[in-house]
Amino acid sequence: RKEVEQDPGPFNVPEGATVAFNCTYSNSASQSFFWYRQDCRKEPKLLMSVYSSGNEDGRFTAQLNRASQYISLLIRDSKLSDSATYLCVVVGSSNTGKLIFGQGTTLQVKP
Amino acid sequence: NAGVMQNPRHLVRRRGQEARLRCSPMKGHSHVYWYRQLPEEGLKFMVYLQKENIIDESGMPKERFSAEFPKEGPSILRIQQVVRGDSAAYFCASSPNSGEDEQFFGPGTRLTVL
Repeated sequence: RKEVEQDPGPFNVPEGATVAFNCTYSNSASQSFFWYRQDCRKEPKLLMSVYSSGNEDGRFTAQLNRASQYISLLIRDSKLSDSATYLCVVVGSSNTGKLIFGQGTTLQVKP
Repeated sequence: NAGVMQNPRHLVRRRGQEARLRCSPMKGHSHVYWYRQLPEEGLKFMVYLQKENIIDESGMPKERFSAEFPKEGPSILRIQQVVRGDSAAYFCASSPNSGEDEQFFGPGTRLTVL
């Protein structure tokens, strides 16, 4: 079983749509979680951290369910510029900080 | 404050040659991570270094790969006797502290092995 699993998609949605991505992780001891965004052939960039209480940043909402080892990202009112690959990331070791990445979910927002 | 810098951005090598990838962390950051992204795959952790020390190399292939982060100068990821399967994007990230601080990624080096 992969340490971090995501549905690779692609998700093709029209502008203005709401889209949700899901992610599961295998290590119940994991403490820190993130969503990164990666544009084609570019470096990953931090989109937002994920907290148990859930957190929101504009049109983006992230949720964590520790009991189910499940992380989600909701994007409301999709824009063309949201087209990218979204990476679910878990900190593999709190001592070293090494990041464990999911395969990524590709989103294509169409006009 | 310049971001994480990597060079070269693109590197072409023939099978059997050596590849050297360089990473200069952000100013004030003493923790460096290397990740590899094979075509159509997610990023995979390779190695974590602090100045002059390798802290975690659990993701490094056992042979041909080495990394260093000297007291002065950039971190170097070295691949000896490259093979076609080494073709990938190699990303470096830096952070001010270890643990759960945000890691800032460089633009990556795309290695192509002919």
